[in-house]
Amino acid sequence: KQEVTQIPAALSVPEGENLVLNCSFTDSAIYNLQWFRQDPGKGLTSLLLIQSSQREQTSGRLNASLDKSSGRSTLYIAASQPGDSATYLCARSTSNTGKLIFGQGTTLQVKP
Amino acid sequence: DAGVIQSPRHEVTEMGQEVTLRCKPISGHNSLFWYRQTMMRGLELLIYFNNNVPIDDSGMPEDRFSAKMPNASFSTLKIQPSEPRDSAVYFCASTRGGSYNEQFFGPGTRLTVL
Repeated sequence: KQEVTQIPAALSVPEGENLVLNCSFTDSAIYNLQWFRQDPGKGLTSLLLIQSSQREQTSGRLNASLDKSSGRSTLYIAASQPGDSATYLCARSTSNTGKLIFGQGTTLQVKP
Repeated sequence: DAGVIQSPRHEVTEMGQEVTLRCKPISGHNSLFWYRQTMMRGLELLIYFNNNVPIDDSGMPEDRFSAKMPNASFSTLKIQPSEPRDSAVYFCASTRGGSYNEQFFGPGTRLTVL
C-alpha cells in the first residue's frame, strides 16, 4: 500500500523557533514529492515540489529535503512566525501523471 | 492567471437531491483531479483526467458519483442521489503534467447533505 505518514499530527511552538515537519512513505519508487499548506476553510497552496532526482528545494524560509532510500522527506521552517500557523501536507506521486497520495497533515500553531 | 476556479463554494442540499460541482482548470494544464476531504479520511483522490480523458476513477466511491470533462476548460462532478455521508469539501486541482507536475488546487466546494 502506498501510504504517506506525517508525524507529529499537531505541533505548537513559540514564535522565532526553527522547526521540522516529517513525512515518510512506504514505496521508494517516487516520482516527486510535494509540500502544501492549508489554512482553515481554504484550499491547498503548493509550497515546494522536489523531483526524484533532487535532494532538496528552498523557498524563502522553507527548505524541503528528500531521501528516497529511507523513504523520508522533511520540511524545515526557519524563524517561525504566527502567520505560518496552518496545516502542512505532503504528497507523493509515483508517475508523471501527477496522481498524488496525501499524508494526513501536521497542524502547526506558532504562538506570538 | 485566475488559478483553478470552482463553483459553487458552498452547497447545502437535502438527501436524494442531485448535486453538480464545477471546475475550471488553469489554462494550459492538461491534467485535472477531483479530491474529497473529510476529517476522518483526509484527502482522497476520486478521479483524474488527462487531456480530457478519464484515466483513473478507482477512487469514485460508488455509482452515485460521476465526472465529466467535455473540454479542456471545464469539468463537473455529479452526485445523484446525494446522501448525508457525501458531506465533505470537494477540491479540484490541475497540473501541466510532464516531469515537473506541480499541482494547483481550487478553493473547494463545501457540500452539506441534510
